[in-house]
Amino acid sequence: NAGVTQTPKFQVLKTGQSMTLQCAQDMNHNSMYWYRQDPGMGLRLIYYSASEGTTDKGEVPNGYNVSRLNKREFSLRLESAAPSQTSVYFCASSEYSGTSSADTQYFGPGTRLTVL
Amino acid sequence: KQEVTQIPAALSVPEGENLVLNCSFTDSAIYNLQWFRQDPGKGLTSLLLIQSSQREQTSGRLNASLDKSSGRSTLYIAASQPGDSATYLCASSGSRLTFGEGTQLTVNP
Repeated sequence: NAGVTQTPKFQVLKTGQSMTLQCAQDMNHNSMYWYRQDPGMGLRLIYYSASEGTTDKGEVPNGYNVSRLNKREFSLRLESAAPSQTSVYFCASSEYSGTSSADTQYFGPGTRLTVL
Repeated sequence: KQEVTQIPAALSVPEGENLVLNCSFTDSAIYNLQWFRQDPGKGLTSLLLIQSSQREQTSGRLNASLDKSSGRSTLYIAASQPGDSATYLCASSGSRLTFGEGTQLTVNP
């Protein structure tokens, strides 16, 4: 039982390049999330997927797209990377959509992205 | 918009000391309040979840309390150990999970 896995662990891009961050969970969770973590800003929600086939914007969606490929996988795409997207990206999953008082999120190890 | 604040931002204590980390939130309409631990270069690990109808939760040397009326939660760590050194984040669950910026704890041997 690996929990939440993310690839790659590290990535360096040049401005304007594109890439996709991959996330998978093996806990049969319904909901999945993408966050970014920046010094002084804390964790901020980029996009989330409450269930397979649905996606919604979070607090900071500009410059990103997501795909909920199936129940296990949720990818985050940067179409044209900018230096402001230098950050640590975390994927998380939860059994429900966060509206249950017993719901908690399980986090992956993160992807450290630098955009030059 | 929910805002979550954690004080202090950093804390350094000697091994064996009991300590309290503080978390405050502006909107009391929450489903739960959660405490996470983050080790350097790692993801977040859930420590305790207090449902909105509960007042506290305990796990080993950790005890978390919730006072919705005052918008406050505390994480109490008893008999701290060097292995407790990490960043502790609280998060309130409303329409989405809103995180504080964390308290960086260092326990010195």
